[in-house]
Amino acid sequence: EAGVTQFPSHSVIEKGQTVTLRCDPISGHDNLYWYRRVMGKEIKFLLHFVKESKQDESGMPNNRFLAERTGGTYSTLKVQPAELEDSGVYFCASSQDKNLAGFADTQYFGPGTRLTVL
Amino acid sequence: AQSVTQLGSHVSVSEGALVLLRCNYSSSVPPYLFWYVQYPNQGLQLLLKYTSAATLVKGINGFEAEFKKSETSFHLTKPSAHMSDAAEYFCAVSDPFAYTGNQFYFGTGTSLTVIP
Repeated sequence: EAGVTQFPSHSVIEKGQTVTLRCDPISGHDNLYWYRRVMGKEIKFLLHFVKESKQDESGMPNNRFLAERTGGTYSTLKVQPAELEDSGVYFCASSQDKNLAGFADTQYFGPGTRLTVL
Repeated sequence: AQSVTQLGSHVSVSEGALVLLRCNYSSSVPPYLFWYVQYPNQGLQLLLKYTSAATLVKGINGFEAEFKKSETSFHLTKPSAHMSDAAEYFCAVSDPFAYTGNQFYFGTGTSLTVIP
């Protein structure tokens, strides 16, 4: 079974440009999460999709970030226009719905996209 | 609110020595706890998780962690370090009673170096 994949693995752009990151979750996983790690700091939650709906976007830094999940499959995260402080590693994770016992399920992470804004 | 503290951003051990990576959490409800490992150029891989069953949890690659409620800790250990254990390790906590889905709260990570 294929894991979570992310594209590109690295992206270097200049301030003011636009970048789109893509995430393909594990097949059948309804839950998709985006996280970000700024260098030296903790991995922080950005938002959570359940199928194609945004369930929680409380971690999105500002309106320069736009996430979509077309048809409940892959997701994109667009940063427009990019700023220097957007640099970091963006992780995507997916999980199945809660199990019958109601336990929130494990999240499976992709390798991340390293974004550098110059 | 939940938070995770990982003491020691860098830990070095000799090959064959005990590995101890510390994780303390703050949570208003009984949490679920996870340890992930990230090898160079790879994604985060689940090592083990605690979901309110046995307090001593065994994971992959010989790692284990013990949930201690009184100490709000979930330290990761391995009796004998191997060169292949060199990686970055992340402790994470989630709220199992979140209405739907669950965001993870991560510590800042601990980079483990194994000295031959």
